[in-house]
This record gives sequence, C-alpha cells and structure tokens, in this order.
Amino acid sequence: GQQLNQSPQSMFIQEGEDVSMNCTSSSIFNTWLWYKQDPGEGPVLLIALYKAGELTSNGRLTAQFGITRKDSFLNISASIPSDVGIYFCAGTVNTGTASKLTFGTGTRLQVTL
Amino acid sequence: DAGITQSPRHKVTETGTPVTLRCHQTENHRYMYWYRQDPGHGLRLIHYSYGVKDTDKGEVSDGYSVSRSKTEDFLLTLESATSSQTSVYFCAIRSSGTGELFFGEGSRLTVL
Repeated sequence: GQQLNQSPQSMFIQEGEDVSMNCTSSSIFNTWLWYKQDPGEGPVLLIALYKAGELTSNGRLTAQFGITRKDSFLNISASIPSDVGIYFCAGTVNTGTASKLTFGTGTRLQVTL
Repeated sequence: DAGITQSPRHKVTETGTPVTLRCHQTENHRYMYWYRQDPGHGLRLIHYSYGVKDTDKGEVSDGYSVSRSKTEDFLLTLESATSSQTSVYFCAIRSSGTGELFFGEGSRLTVL
C-alpha cells in the first residue's frame, strides 16, 4: 500500500522558534491533511489541502500541497508551549467506495522555555 | 466536538478472550473507520464502513471483524484477542461535505 515518509521524527526547539516538517510519498494523493495529537487524545485536524500548489494558513500554521502531489509541508511560526504534541500528515486517495486515509508515522514536537 | 464516543476507553483482557469496541456517532455520517495506533507505525486502517451493513477491509484487518447494523454505531470485534492486538484503537467519521476525518478519543486495549 501507499506509504508516507514524515520527517523529522522528533524535534526539540525553544519557545519562539519556527518549526518545519514535511511528508513525502512515492504515490500521488488527492488530499493532504495535517493532524495534531495530544497525549491521551485522538488526532485533531489542523489543516486540509485539496489542490496541488495550494498554500493554506490556520493562525500560526501554514501548510502546502506540493505541485507533484507527492509531498506536503507544515510550518509553525513562533512556537509556544501548547504546540507540544505529535503531528501527523495524512493523504487521501479516492478509491470508489470510500476515501482511504494513509498516515505518516508522526513528528514529535517538544518545546522548551 | 465531532459527536464521536468510543467505549470502553480502557480495557485489559486475557489472550484468547473476545473483545468488542464500540464507536457511536451523533452526526449521521455515512463513513466510519477503525484505526489502530502503535509506536513507529502511526495510524493504520483496520476496517471501514460506507453504510449500514456495508464494510470493507483496511490494511491490517486480520484478526478483526466489524459490524454496522445502525448508522450511528460501528463495532470492532476481536474474536480471540492476542498480545499483538494490544494497542490504542481510534474510531473516525468522515465529513460528508469536506471528506475530512474526525477522530474519537481512543480506546486503549491491553491483552495480557
């Protein structure tokens, strides 16, 4: 099946720094989604991207759908302690009966004061 | 709040026993999904449903069965639990308009 390579696996940054993470695939995806997961909770959708080249912002978060449709990145500007968590990229390929979402393995973000 | 409730939230069971996890939604969405989450693997799709009595396998369906007798409930059953099925299980629903997935809070299962 499709695989998503997400990097980096983990990041330790200082409060106020900008963060960048990305996701690449050998397959083309129709949709790219970015989720954040806090401990003991389910993933929460941050940003959804639907078109190649699309650049979308949500507050301090910015994500882009790569032109080749095989990659996406997420940037977080001016990080704060509540940004701590695991960030997952996910891609969707429409398969007829249902869209199947394939997830990356996650980027664990730690923010130090 | 996407209106998804999972139960139980935590369960400890022994190898060989049957286990059923329940996902309940209040939004009347057609598509529902069961994922498992394990360190180093992210979230992997077990089974999904595209309507009442309509289900299909995901990438890690062996050892699991599902049922959807009502729109609002999607059940995941482990007929005979094994230690390899120790995991956190997440239910998700798909928004009809945008196609985005929204997740429940998870069910942590430990098989001893």
